[in-house]
Amino acid sequence: KQEVTQIPAALSVPEGENLVLNCSFTDSAIYNLQWFRQDPGKGLTSLLLIQSSQREQTSGRLNASLDKSSGRSTLYIAASQPGDSATYLCAVEGGSYNTDKLIFGTGTRLQVFP
Amino acid sequence: DAGVIQSPRHEVTEMGQEVTLRCKPISGHDYLFWYRQTMMRGLELLIYFNNNVPIDDSGMPEDRFSAKMPNASFSTLKIQPSEPRDSAVYFCASSSRDRGGTEAFFGQGTRLTVV
Repeated sequence: KQEVTQIPAALSVPEGENLVLNCSFTDSAIYNLQWFRQDPGKGLTSLLLIQSSQREQTSGRLNASLDKSSGRSTLYIAASQPGDSATYLCAVEGGSYNTDKLIFGTGTRLQVFP
Repeated sequence: DAGVIQSPRHEVTEMGQEVTLRCKPISGHDYLFWYRQTMMRGLELLIYFNNNVPIDDSGMPEDRFSAKMPNASFSTLKIQPSEPRDSAVYFCASSSRDRGGTEAFFGQGTRLTVV
């Protein structure tokens, strides 16, 4: 059974810091991994999608890497801003016994203070 | 495209009543997912459809829950009878394999409160 873990569960940093959020998964036979952002009381917004054949994806100040063999992904946020405050979730699709389902981690709650 | 559209945004109902949540996926997407989010359990997949056919409903908690997708542009999740422990935010998401990736897009959710 695929299990997805995110560390840390919560993070509070001053504005301007570079951040690394971690995601690990137990079954490395995934199709892809997706990072989402969720603001309080809102839905999920897709940030980055990394296909299983890719090593990283970049969008603006965000960079996500994927190491399938070790079952890990990191989301790097450069020069953090208060507007980055949200919960960040990673989700994997695929696995030995998991085909089309997206399995989510528990999220990292990020607060960036001025 | 307006994205995934869910209705209602908020629902407050009394225990024992029937609740129906609605979802309109993004046009052209062939996968539709229903998730439930709570503080205790995070995001849980309830059921998903491919080309309007239910593929995996192993996440549906009880027989009180049922989901249908009568056509490619509409799905419902019904709870009958509702109980206070069903209180949660219910999300619908859709995706497509046609573009080589399967990026999932989520609706804004329905916040259900059962009193």
